[in-house]
Amino acid sequence: GAVVSQHPSRVICKSGTSVKIECRSLDFQATTMFWYRQFPKQSLMLMATSNEGSKATYEQGVEKDKFLINHASLTLSTLTVTSAHPEDSSFYICSANPAEGGETQYFGPGTRLLVL
Amino acid sequence: AQSVTQLDSQVPVFEEAPVELRCNYSSSVSVYLFWYVQYPNQGLQLLLKYLSGSTLVESINGFEAEFNKSQTSFHLRKPSVHISDTAEYFCAVSTTGGSYIPTFGRGTSLIVHP
Repeated sequence: GAVVSQHPSRVICKSGTSVKIECRSLDFQATTMFWYRQFPKQSLMLMATSNEGSKATYEQGVEKDKFLINHASLTLSTLTVTSAHPEDSSFYICSANPAEGGETQYFGPGTRLLVL
Repeated sequence: AQSVTQLDSQVPVFEEAPVELRCNYSSSVSVYLFWYVQYPNQGLQLLLKYLSGSTLVESINGFEAEFNKSQTSFHLRKPSVHISDTAEYFCAVSTTGGSYIPTFGRGTSLIVHP
């Protein structure tokens, strides 16, 4: 089946630093990847849609200058949380649609970010 | 726009008992429907999906869901649950012919007691 990986699985950083999270589709190409944020005991909130070779599309209320997204290849998208603050602490999950038969999203295992 | 309602935030059940997790959706166009399962501190895993054809879909671990267009529902069922089924379950809907971005329900926490 389609496998999506994320790295790192967990990261702790100091307030004011930047953190990069990688999302990779391991056995398929994905022209589109998605980044979600999940707060404890809540559903997933779509942050942005990452398109290979073009700018990401951000959902309303998501700061594009704070959450930088780069989709450099058909198998890799990165999310950089710039100047992180404690309120950015969350569980970040990416997903990807296969380029063919893309009605199903496949999710990564998530990255737990803790900003001190 | 579409929306998903999972009426139960938490469903406690004893091991080997049957369970139903409810999901209702609203959409003005045709939809695809999904159930995802999330174990603690993990991402979402696709459990089963309805795209077209038979309205009853099954997963490899004994779950099934039935698409009911008239009731706009996609309830998830299992005749006999195990302790290992304890997890968060998310229902999701996306529209056909679109960008396939799903809208998620708030999730239902299934708690299986021994």
